[in-house]
Amino acid sequence: GAVVSQHPSRVICKSGTSVKIECRSLDFQATTMFWYRQFPKKSLMLMATSNEGSKATYEQGVEKDKFLINHASLTLSTLTVTSAHPEDSSFYICSATLAGTYEQYFGPGTRLTVT
Amino acid sequence: GNSVTQMEGPVTLSEEAFLTINCTYTATGYPSLFWYVQYPGEGLQLLLKATKADDKGSNKGFEATYRKETTSFHLEKGSVQVSDSAVYFCALRSGGGADGLTFGKGTHLIIQP
Repeated sequence: GAVVSQHPSRVICKSGTSVKIECRSLDFQATTMFWYRQFPKKSLMLMATSNEGSKATYEQGVEKDKFLINHASLTLSTLTVTSAHPEDSSFYICSATLAGTYEQYFGPGTRLTVT
Repeated sequence: GNSVTQMEGPVTLSEEAFLTINCTYTATGYPSLFWYVQYPGEGLQLLLKATKADDKGSNKGFEATYRKETTSFHLEKGSVQVSDSAVYFCALRSGGGADGLTFGKGTHLIIQP
């Protein structure tokens, strides 16, 4: 149980285009989802906290207009990288929190490459 | 702010060797501490956790003790197996349960037969 999926697993896009990444909790309802970004040989950096039905809370230094987060249901959160640039190339990971336990379950990640 | 420092890898050991991966942290208040493991091609999985000082988390032969006096949460295993090869992340959560995690950089562990 407590499986989180991400789609796509890999995506390559051209500079200036937008890319949407989906995060789904497959067998549980997640009141809170988190988005992280991982740079090579660096730790995972928390980007934002997403609560169902409300606006996401972004960490300091993360551009909310560039990284649009929508948490439309208790099983789905999306991250849209708008007007992507090569410096946005990274590994994006989501996690979902099982209500009542606060334990975070992680998706397998999405590798974004912007050319 | 919060931070987690863990030993850089890769760490290469022979099967049945003793493992220690060091982790120290900086945080306000009384954080909860975690070790996550990431196997190739998979998402991070919670390995063990400790929520208060002197707690010991354990799972699958791995152990870590929350040492507030040294702000450490070192991961240990008495006898590693090839199947333990993975990337291990130390992490903390300083706020309530709904807060995000602060991670270390990860330690790549390679166990040779």
